[in-house]
Amino acid sequence: DIVMTQTPLSSPVTPGQPASISCRSSQSLVHSDGNTYLSWLQQRPGLPPRLLIYKISNRFSGVPDRFSGSGAGTDFTLKISRVEAEDVGVYYCMQATQFPWTFGQGTKVEIK
Amino acid sequence: EVQLVESGGGLVQPGRSLRLSCTASGFTLGDYAMSWFRQAPGKGLEWVGFVRNKAYGGTTEYAASVKGRFTISRDDSKSIAYLQMNSLKSEDTAMYYCTGYHSGRFDPWGQGTLVTVSS
Repeated sequence: DIVMTQTPLSSPVTPGQPASISCRSSQSLVHSDGNTYLSWLQQRPGLPPRLLIYKISNRFSGVPDRFSGSGAGTDFTLKISRVEAEDVGVYYCMQATQFPWTFGQGTKVEIK
Repeated sequence: EVQLVESGGGLVQPGRSLRLSCTASGFTLGDYAMSWFRQAPGKGLEWVGFVRNKAYGGTTEYAASVKGRFTISRDDSKSIAYLQMNSLKSEDTAMYYCTGYHSGRFDPWGQGTLVTVSS
């Protein structure tokens, strides 16, 4: 199974400041079709997960442009350019390149 | 409005069965693969299983922890995907979410249905 490792696991951030979450996979996430199926999901308290980014860097419909994804191969990053109060929650990276699909442990973003 | 609604959760004894439903509205379920995820209380997300759409054979994949006990199916004519859960264990206690999957995108997500396995 592909192991997904996120850092940090907790990120206290001052509103208006940037935040960055790293996700590393135990093997390359490049699929045989040439795509890399690495997604970022946000889960606000008490709510279901919500897709933010798919295939490394594609922002999903309705996601604010302060969220961006980057990376390649085994190293990926989610950046929030200016954290807002509504960004509080847990962020997960997830790979759907190879079954079983696997998640990172989650990174809790909270406001200082 | 594009929406998925899960139902069928509840309290069940160990060893018993439960069937969850995921009802779609606002889009054509048959155009999407469907996946189930779960989240144990206070824990992270875990993938449970996946069913391809008919264009890709409608075949399924499962996590090792549920393979042989859980079965995913779909009735596109009713816009419903199912998760049949047999031989339930206490460790299956979780919120269960369904989601559509298309071209690398996991959307929409349902609100979840809670399954509690306890005697």
